[in-house]
Amino acid sequence: LAKTTQPVSMDSYEGQEVNITCSHNNIATNDYITWYQQFPSQGPRFIIQGYKTKVTNEVASLFIPADRKSSTLSLPRVSLSDTAVYYCLVNNAGNMLTFGGGTRLMVKP
Amino acid sequence: DGGITQSPKYLFRKEGQNVTLSCEQNLNHDAMYWYRQDPGQGLRLIYYSQIVNDFQKGDIAEGYSVSREKKESFPLTVTSAQKNPTAFYLCASIDRPLSNTEAFFGQGTRLTVV
Repeated sequence: LAKTTQPVSMDSYEGQEVNITCSHNNIATNDYITWYQQFPSQGPRFIIQGYKTKVTNEVASLFIPADRKSSTLSLPRVSLSDTAVYYCLVNNAGNMLTFGGGTRLMVKP
Repeated sequence: DGGITQSPKYLFRKEGQNVTLSCEQNLNHDAMYWYRQDPGQGLRLIYYSQIVNDFQKGDIAEGYSVSREKKESFPLTVTSAQKNPTAFYLCASIDRPLSNTEAFFGQGTRLTVV
């Protein structure tokens, strides 16, 4: 199983772009990278998923370099409501869906 | 509305009692999962099931039991053998156990053992 490593916490200010990087050195050929967001006392919710290069949706972008050993979640112009924990997962066919500790993002006014 | 439902939202039990947490999904998903979350921590996998009548232990299965008699239901029993059962419990489901799908989570059950 590919293990993921991400920063424990990050601080930002409203209106800034936030980039959270996750390393997954032993990602397998068929694995996808998925990011989830969790607010206190709620279940995580899907943000974005990708396999390689760049993926963009209405809330975030995901950058994956050619070697796929890391990925970066980019949140444009964050607001106070983006304060949450962000988890990076590597989806594998065995699909144990193992979560790490996540990155606690604090957005300040 | 399709989704995954956990009940109850809050649960209080006396020490030494078994308690069963409910998880139901109407998404027709094959795989279901149970996680435990302690304050300020990430999610730890308790059990998962990829098909009816089959399930596997996760990282912290001791003191817990599950069943998967129906595709839509995956109840978790917290037994008296679980030494520190007070926690936030999350259930999730995924369409199929492959790589390019997203997991859906319930809203969680907060269990307090007194």
